[in-house]
Amino acid sequence: GQNIDQPTEMTATEGAIVQINCTYQTSGFNGLFWYQQHAGEAPTFLSYNVLDGLEEKGRFSSFLSRSKGYSYLLLKELQMKDSASYLCAVMDSNYQLIWGAGTKLIIKP
Amino acid sequence: GAVVSQHPSRVICKSGTSVKIECRSLDFQATTMFWYRQFPKQSLMLMATSNEGSKATYEQGVEKDKFLINHASLTLSTLTVTSAHPEDSSFYICSARGTENSYEQYFGPGTRLTVT
Repeated sequence: GQNIDQPTEMTATEGAIVQINCTYQTSGFNGLFWYQQHAGEAPTFLSYNVLDGLEEKGRFSSFLSRSKGYSYLLLKELQMKDSASYLCAVMDSNYQLIWGAGTKLIIKP
Repeated sequence: GAVVSQHPSRVICKSGTSVKIECRSLDFQATTMFWYRQFPKQSLMLMATSNEGSKATYEQGVEKDKFLINHASLTLSTLTVTSAHPEDSSFYICSARGTENSYEQYFGPGTRLTVT
């Protein structure tokens, strides 16, 4: 079956760095996405990786290793507004998104 | 980026009534639209995928007669929850994709449905 695993909850301090991991097993692979979702709102797109390596976009970076079925989202210089759930999703061979359960990130002052 | 709207944003209805939720792509043509449901503190659950002009493909366990999906144009898809019950109360989110091999889905803001 298809499976996406990510931690349920993480806590970090304002100004620090946090890494959210995601491992996956899917039928085919057409890219991995990270989305941010604040409570009561729809997800917003953060990043897309289809090739191995690190993609940097401002304070956020995303890494992919296809051979290991592994990705991480790195958030630097954490701000209170970064408190949200972070969803890992993999696009399978049918171009369908398979979603992880999300990681709730709590930022403390 | 592309914009997807949903209407209404919140709706409260009585048990046994039907509710229609609209999803519109405002500045692009959406060949495929997706309908998700999300219960509190849980991840998104794909309900169905609809392609313009054809019948929707429902995920296992989703009743097609209860959740009617219509994708009549390249900019509009509707989800009708028929004979709603309290257990249908949830956050319903649509997303749209522009071209068949496009990787990105653009999400609507979601609709909070409460059935009393």
